[in-house]
Amino acid sequence: NAGVTQTPKFRILKIGQSMTLQCAQDMNHNYMYWYRQDPGMGLKLIYYSVGAGITDKGEVPNGYNVSRSTTEDFPLRLELAAPSQTSVYFCASSYSAGQGGETQYFGPGTRLLVL
Amino acid sequence: GNSVTQMEGPVTLSEEAFLTINCTYTATGYPSLFWYVQYPGEGLQLLLKATKADDKGSNKGFEATYRKETTSFHLEKGSVQVSDSAVYFCALSEGTGGFKTIFGAGTRLFVKA
Repeated sequence: NAGVTQTPKFRILKIGQSMTLQCAQDMNHNYMYWYRQDPGMGLKLIYYSVGAGITDKGEVPNGYNVSRSTTEDFPLRLELAAPSQTSVYFCASSYSAGQGGETQYFGPGTRLLVL
Repeated sequence: GNSVTQMEGPVTLSEEAFLTINCTYTATGYPSLFWYVQYPGEGLQLLLKATKADDKGSNKGFEATYRKETTSFHLEKGSVQVSDSAVYFCALSEGTGGFKTIFGAGTRLFVKA
């Protein structure tokens, strides 16, 4: 059982370039999330999805886009990379049965450096 | 709005010492409370959780009790090991759907042999 997988592990981008961070989960979870973690800070939610075809903005969505065409995959797209997007990006998933208290399962992260 | 405040680190302890990491929260309703742990180079993983007042979450020798009267969820362990060195995040989630989860800033723990 792979859980939540992310690719790549590390990437260097030049300012203005674009890239897609891949995320996949094999637990049949309905909810998926993208977070960024800046040094010494907690996690900030970028986008989330409650199911295939449904996405919504989190706390810090500017400069990013997402799509969710399948239950398993939730790619994050960076358009026109900026130095402020240098961060570690985590994808996570959870199963919600409508009762609250869901545990989130995290991928290993993608470290992105924009120069 | 909801918020989580946890003690600043780093916390440095010797092996077998007692650990407390304080966490307090602000919430409008009745949140679930979590402690996640992040080992070097890895993503976060759930350490323990409690979903209602007076519940005690426990795992791997760690414990935390949901105290509604003091709005706290302090993490404790009686005897830490070098392998416990990590960053610990307190979090709360209100209602259904993890997109409402608020994470604290994290507390880094170093345990010396």
